Amino acid sequence: EVQLVESGGGLVKPGGSLRLSCAASGFTFSSYSMNWVRQAPGKGLEWVSSISSSSSYIYYADSVKGRFTISRDNAKNSLYLQMNSLRAEDTAVYYCARDEADTLDYWGQGTLVTVSS
Amino acid sequence: EIVLTQSPATLSLSPGERATLSCRASQSVSSYLAWYQQKPGQAPRLLIYDASNRATGIPARFSGSGSGTDFTLTISSLEPEDFAVYYCQQRSNWPTWTFGQGTKVEIK
Repeated sequence: EVQLVESGGGLVKPGGSLRLSCAASGFTFSSYSMNWVRQAPGKGLEWVSSISSSSSYIYYADSVKGRFTISRDNAKNSLYLQMNSLRAEDTAVYYCARDEADTLDYWGQGTLVTVSS
Repeated sequence: EIVLTQSPATLSLSPGERATLSCRASQSVSSYLAWYQQKPGQAPRLLIYDASNRATGIPARFSGSGSGTDFTLTISSLEPEDFAVYYCQQRSNWPTWTFGQGTKVEIK
């Protein structure tokens, strides 16, 4: 069974940093591209970042470019999102999602990031 | 950026009725469109990929159609568990993906 479990969310002040993790199991993690998608409270879905299976290709939404860094450790079956210079508008539930031919076929349950003073 | 516009914003229907949801793209996305279902407090779930292909385990009452700029998700007969928010997503403008703003299907 495919499982994705996010962690690392919490309350952080504007300008602060946070590192999210996503632990994967039930599939060959090193064979799949992975993504982060976020959802602000009461709002829709926003794609944040993608990383290819070997980390060769990395992409970001314009809204987070230069502030967020996606990475992965295939030996640990883990995906990460380092978030720096956080703003109030980054407040959201952050989901990790597996990428199957550019479709997000499995999602984690999400971790809440709140940016507030 | 490709903008996806979903309509209506809210659909009020009774169990057993047919639901028809629309997603319109600002430019052609070919057939590179997916549909997701999200229930309160849960992660999105993939329903349809490449416009018309049901994902694994998705009931046959869900169907997708369309190509180019106009797409439709149809639920042939609403079950109680189908009342949720539905999002479309395009993967044509890779690697930048966009989602529609969602359609809420609520119990009338």
